[in-house]
Amino acid sequence: QLSESGGNWVQPGGSLRLSCAASGFTLSTFAMSWVRQAPGKGLEWVSTITGSGSGRIANYADSAKGRFSISEDSSKNILFLQMTSLIDADTAIYYCARGAGHGNSKLESWGQGTLVTVSS
Amino acid sequence: ETILTQSPGTLSLSPGERATLSCRASQTVGISYLAWYQQKPGQAPRLLVYGASGRASGIPDRFSGSGSGTDFTLTINRLEPEDFAVYYCQQFESSFPTFGQGTKVEI
Repeated sequence: QLSESGGNWVQPGGSLRLSCAASGFTLSTFAMSWVRQAPGKGLEWVSTITGSGSGRIANYADSAKGRFSISEDSSKNILFLQMTSLIDADTAIYYCARGAGHGNSKLESWGQGTLVTVSS
Repeated sequence: ETILTQSPGTLSLSPGERATLSCRASQTVGISYLAWYQQKPGQAPRLLVYGASGRASGIPDRFSGSGSGTDFTLTINRLEPEDFAVYYCQQFESSFPTFGQGTKVEI
């Protein structure tokens, strides 16, 4: 099970950290992704962390590169997405999702999402 | 970046009919790296089918995926009322997964 939190209203240029609490499995042994959905729009991949142990590798969509950072707290089994320099176009529901293994794969399990609104 | 183009944008059908949804990739994608998701209003997406014949847990066998190269199809046989939703294809062959823009199946 996955449960996101941390979504909020923030002004352009601001920062926000999203959390995704995992239960029933060890987060660091699976590929974990963030996918977002702007209001009334389709799904957009944001970031994925793959691999296992200390060799985890993060990838980012061009829209997130340099502004967003994916990380995890293995001791608490929580995935994070640190977002900085937010712009209006980042307004979306952000979902965390678990892959089928530790590499890039289909997204087997999804959280319910958390809403981020960027507006002045 | 592999661009996925889904068609049609909207499919209007009746319960009991067959739905055929298309997903075309801008470059070759291995069938093992292609998945389909269903999303209903106000809900998170859920995995439906993947690869040549895989179905996610609990997904009925009226859902099936097929295709190869750059052309892939999701077929829904005998539409049930609960199947009316938006469907997305996704490729995860590269390190930068992408989704199609979605096909809405409406009554």
